[in-house]
Amino acid sequence: GEDVEQSLFLSVREGDSSVINCTYTDSSSTYLYWYKQEPGAGLQLLTYIFSNMDMKQDQRLTVLLNKKDKHLSLRIADTQTGDSAIYFCAETGNTGFQKLVFGTGTRLLVSP
Amino acid sequence: EAGVTQFPSHSVIEKGQTVTLRCDPISGHDNLYWYRRVMGKEIKFLLHFVKESKQDESGMPNNRFLAERTGGTYSTLKVQPAELEDSGVYFCASSLIRNEQFFGPGTRLTVL
Repeated sequence: GEDVEQSLFLSVREGDSSVINCTYTDSSSTYLYWYKQEPGAGLQLLTYIFSNMDMKQDQRLTVLLNKKDKHLSLRIADTQTGDSAIYFCAETGNTGFQKLVFGTGTRLLVSP
Repeated sequence: EAGVTQFPSHSVIEKGQTVTLRCDPISGHDNLYWYRRVMGKEIKFLLHFVKESKQDESGMPNNRFLAERTGGTYSTLKVQPAELEDSGVYFCASSLIRNEQFFGPGTRLTVL
């Protein structure tokens, strides 16, 4: 079946880089996503990567995809206190684009 | 452009009562999805509408849950009768193209 796993918690200091990791089981996933949830807010689509890509960069965000190991990571450069949030990894699974399969989320805490 | 909105933001009901959640998608988005996050676990897919038709309702937990999208605009999710295990955050998302889902802020449901 489809399963997405993430570590629950990550703590970094302001200015450092953060790397949030995710592993998934469904090799047929077409897209893989990173969503951000700030306290009291909904899920914000940060970025996504097509499965035939290895890397995608968008300003301070870098997504790396290792299809062989089914591993996805999100690197945030120069992490700021405003980056403190829960980050969810998600995949499209084997049903096309119709539903997203999410991980449990990684809580990122950025300290000054 | 307004994002996905959900109402209410928070609902507290007693076991056995009925609750109706509402979602207003982004204008023009034919695809509408319901997800829920129970007890801090992963966010799970409930169902997917394309306009007013149910495309995929494989995630609906049981027949106490009824989702409708009359006229292909807003959607409602009714839980009747509510049970303790239904407590969680219910998210709605909409998309124009299926690989970009935009989420609402969620409705936090507490069943006592």
